[in-house]
Amino acid sequence: EVQLVESGGGLVKPGGSLRLSCAASGFTFSSYSMNWVRQAPGKGLEWVSSISSSSSYIYYADSVKGRFTISRDNAKNSLYLQMNSLRAEDTAVYYCARDPDCGGDCGYFDYWGQGTLVTVSS
Amino acid sequence: SYELTQPPSVSVSPGQTARITCSGDALPKQYAYWYQQKPGQAPVLVIYKDSERPSGIPERFSGSSSGTTVTLTISGVQAEDEADYYCQSADSSGTYIRVFGGGTKLTVL
Repeated sequence: EVQLVESGGGLVKPGGSLRLSCAASGFTFSSYSMNWVRQAPGKGLEWVSSISSSSSYIYYADSVKGRFTISRDNAKNSLYLQMNSLRAEDTAVYYCARDPDCGGDCGYFDYWGQGTLVTVSS
Repeated sequence: SYELTQPPSVSVSPGQTARITCSGDALPKQYAYWYQQKPGQAPVLVIYKDSERPSGIPERFSGSSSGTTVTLTISGVQAEDEADYYCQSADSSGTYIRVFGGGTKLTVL
């Protein structure tokens, strides 16, 4: 069974930093591209970042480019999101989501974790 | 920036057919995907590549595409289908931007 478990969320002051983690199990993590998607309270979904299976390709939404860094450790079956210079508008539930195995850029997400809440407030 | 437009809400009675639309200029060139999200839960993929249904998703969920609009159809709506539904696609300009629609709240009366 595919499982994605996020951790690392919490309360942080504006301008602060936070590192999110996603522990993957139930599939060969090193073979799949992975993503972060967020959802502000009461709002819709927003794609944040993607990383290919070998970390060769990395993409960011304009809203986080230059502030957030996605990475992965295939030996530890883990995905990370380093978030710096946090703003109030970064307050959201952050989901880890998997690309399906389609041999390339699939463009969508077939499994999601339960999310971790990040609150940016003074 | 590229946008996908959904109606904020759709209401149907149990047993009826619900149709949720999603419009975007790149949809003739990019596949659309649909997710169901119930309160307090993570999204679940219900339709991929415009009209394909993942294993485990009931047959009453179907998808279609016509020009710049894609449609999620739920036939014989059940109370458990009440949820937020999001369409998702990609920017066709080669920038790898993945975009979600604003979401549609399906209410089962």
